[in-house]
Amino acid sequence: GDSVTQMEGPVTLSEEAFLTINCTYTATGYPSLFWYVQYPGEGLQLLLKATKADDKGSNKGFEATYRKETTSFHLEKGSVQVSDSAVYFCAPSRGGNEKLTFGTGTRLTIIP
Amino acid sequence: DTEVTQTPKHLVMGMTNKKSLKCEQHMGHRAMYWYKQKAKKPPELMFVYSYEKLSINESVPSRFSPECPNSSLLNLHLHALQPEDSALYLCASSQGSGVYNEQFFGPGTRLTVL
Repeated sequence: GDSVTQMEGPVTLSEEAFLTINCTYTATGYPSLFWYVQYPGEGLQLLLKATKADDKGSNKGFEATYRKETTSFHLEKGSVQVSDSAVYFCAPSRGGNEKLTFGTGTRLTIIP
Repeated sequence: DTEVTQTPKHLVMGMTNKKSLKCEQHMGHRAMYWYKQKAKKPPELMFVYSYEKLSINESVPSRFSPECPNSSLLNLHLHALQPEDSALYLCASSQGSGVYNEQFFGPGTRLTVL
């Protein structure tokens, strides 16, 4: 079945630091790839997505590139803010399958 | 309108109670989902409805009973729950599968079973 390996947290960074959260996946075929973010006390929100190899998704300063050769979709941001403190989930979705396979989540805390 | 609404926000119930969670979306999405999320864990899929028909049941105990009255509404009926069922229950909707599986989540119902 499909699976996701996500960087273990928690991750604590200072404001304006560079962020990378690693995500690798195992899935049949060519899944679409999503990053979701969950702020404290809230539901999940889609942060960005990529639907085919070499696509780059971006939103709110975050970026991730669909790397088919390494089956990876690492999340990056050049300068994090305190407001980025949240839990981040990587999730592939195969065509014809309504399931999202969530990673374990990476809890990110940004300190001023 | 890209919002998924859920009611109630909080629910406390005893093990003998019957209650229902409600979810609504007006994005014309054809798939709707129920997830259960325990603290510090990812969401766990419970049920998927596609075109108002149950398409996925992830071996959820029968004390959880989903219902999709129409394409905009999704209910989760609860009966004889156990304390370990306490969790955040999330509803989501999407246009479909694969590239169309961008799921929009509601804020959740935080359920406590006493």
